Amino acid sequence: QKEVEQDPGPLSVPEGAIVSLNCTYSNSAFQYFMWYRQYSRKGPELLMYTYSSGNKEDGRFTAQVDKSSKYISLFIRDSQPSDSATYLCAMSKTNFGNEKLTFGTGTRLTIIP
Amino acid sequence: NAGVTQTPKFQVLKTGQSMTLQCAQDMNHNSMYWYRQDPGMGLRLIYYSASEGTTDKGEVPNGYNVSRLNKREFSLRLESAAPSQTSVYFCASRPGPFVSETQYFGPGTRLLVL
Repeated sequence: QKEVEQDPGPLSVPEGAIVSLNCTYSNSAFQYFMWYRQYSRKGPELLMYTYSSGNKEDGRFTAQVDKSSKYISLFIRDSQPSDSATYLCAMSKTNFGNEKLTFGTGTRLTIIP
Repeated sequence: NAGVTQTPKFQVLKTGQSMTLQCAQDMNHNSMYWYRQDPGMGLRLIYYSASEGTTDKGEVPNGYNVSRLNKREFSLRLESAAPSQTSVYFCASRPGPFVSETQYFGPGTRLLVL
């Protein structure tokens, strides 16, 4: 069983919809959580970083962590065609980033105009 | 400010050939990383360098060597390429060693080993 599970999609939604992307994990030691966006044939770019449980909002993006359920989510409001990309979750047990950062396999999202 | 650059963008090798993937960053970052990305596997860390002159193994180091030539450059070498090394390789950098600092990725090198 993988430490981090992410539905690969693909997920297609109409423009303007609210998108929910999710990851589940098995190791309760994870404390630091990240979401990356990766456009086709590009490198990942950091979207959101959160520590421990709770919500964090940045513009149209909200990251949510539920450590009791071992579940993290990324919500995109008022989705735009430019949001079409693969979204990767990542997590770490410590803030020391040179240790293993565990990535999900990514969810491919398409926003239909 | 180019960020993280990688060369080449695409390479085809025959089994047993060697090659070096080049990476450079112009952000004065201390930490640099090499990842591979395979379908269904996620990003996996090959090697990292916490600072100039130091390198350490990541999750999947077998078949690879690295050199931190100076603060800007971090190269990845395949001495004898195998089909299992067909992948997309990403270099990344970060100011320091902390997850709370943003990690910047390069555009990737697509490698096909026949």
